[in-house]
Amino acid sequence: DVKVTQSSRYLVKRTGEKVFLECVQDMDHENMFWYRQDPGLGLRLIYFSYDVKMKEKGDIPEGYSVSREKKERFSLILESASTNQTSMYLCASSLRTANYGYTFGSGTRLTVV
Amino acid sequence: SQQGEEDPQALSIQEGENATMNCSYKTSINNLQWYRQNSGRGLVHLILIRSNEREKHSGRLRVTLDTSKKSSSLLITASRAADTASYFCATARSDSWGKLQFGAGTQVVVTP
Repeated sequence: DVKVTQSSRYLVKRTGEKVFLECVQDMDHENMFWYRQDPGLGLRLIYFSYDVKMKEKGDIPEGYSVSREKKERFSLILESASTNQTSMYLCASSLRTANYGYTFGSGTRLTVV
Repeated sequence: SQQGEEDPQALSIQEGENATMNCSYKTSINNLQWYRQNSGRGLVHLILIRSNEREKHSGRLRVTLDTSKKSSSLLITASRAADTASYFCATARSDSWGKLQFGAGTQVVVTP
């Protein structure tokens, strides 16, 4: 069964900490995505990557960066965590075009205190 | 920015009834997709309909697409308690290759 695996289900971090969220897919997908999900706002795209070492900003990139050194792994970095980054973070992957849908990970619920 | 807007925001029905939810979008699309999310989990891809298709079926799911009205509907027939979840539409815009934009979702509760 194909999978997108996010390293943590729940995470609690302190304000100002540098936070790494890891995502690994085993489907040889070209595209990988990071979304955050907040009540009433749906899913908002933070960053996406369409190839190794390639990245593009999504709708809300401020306060985040990403790294994709290998095709299967896409990391989201919160440079200095703030309380307004408390959210559910969802990683997804897909083939080059979106014609076959995304496969999502189970999500990481991050709380910044 | 949200491309798809689902309606209603919440829906409560009894087992055996049909559930219908709608999605409207703003720009030209390649395809429209529906996803389900069980509480606190990731999203699961349900069905995709391409811009040149008008209707598609998958098991108890029926999706329609009206590109002239920029709208889609998802019908779940003979609902079960296990269908309780949030449902999201997502659009693949013609000018944003590979990226999906999601709406805020419809929360469906199916009571036994």
